Amino acid sequence: EAQVTQNPRYLITVTGKKLTVTCSQNMNHEYMSWYRQDPGLGLRQIYYSMNVEVTDKGDVPEGYKVSRKEKRNFPLILESPSPNQTSLYFCASTLRVGSNQPQHFGDGTRLSIL
Amino acid sequence: EDQVTQSPEALRLQEGESSSLNCSYTVSGLRGLFWYRQDPGKGPEFLFTLYSAGEEKEKERLKATLTKKESFLHITAPKPEDSATYLCAVRSEAGTALIFGKGTTLSVSS
Repeated sequence: EAQVTQNPRYLITVTGKKLTVTCSQNMNHEYMSWYRQDPGLGLRQIYYSMNVEVTDKGDVPEGYKVSRKEKRNFPLILESPSPNQTSLYFCASTLRVGSNQPQHFGDGTRLSIL
Repeated sequence: EDQVTQSPEALRLQEGESSSLNCSYTVSGLRGLFWYRQDPGKGPEFLFTLYSAGEEKEKERLKATLTKKESFLHITAPKPEDSATYLCAVRSEAGTALIFGKGTTLSVSS
């Protein structure tokens, strides 16, 4: 089954404790992206990757890092999490950015930073 | 700046009561307009892509239409299982990101 898989689904942690949210897709997609979803603000892009070893900032990249060492994986790293990063996070992928194929989303990771 | 505005924010319907959701957009060269459905605790699920004014797409009780400034998602004779948040997004010719609206939360009661 074609899917985007995120882990963990839920995480409660404390300020400053480094964490990684993993994202994996099994559709051989080149383009992957991270979004955060906040009440009243909608979905906003954090980082994206157009292919292996190619990443770039989205609209709200501060406090986040990403890497794309393999095509299927696109982890989101919070080096020193802060309470304002408490949010619902989604990973998404599509074939390639110019393909006009829709983005497929994972089921989300709910992060609470205390 | 590319922008997407959805209205209403929330909509309550009785089962069988048809209605429309609106998505107004400003974008520098529309590459595609996307409709997604999002259920609580889930990621957005793709519904439709529209590319040019005048285009229409249908799926079961849903029909999406596109003009040069807005898109409508028409829901005909909705059922309780149609209850969800509906998201509209655009991608511009120059951009790589999807720009999302804040969504319309639809509740259909029996």
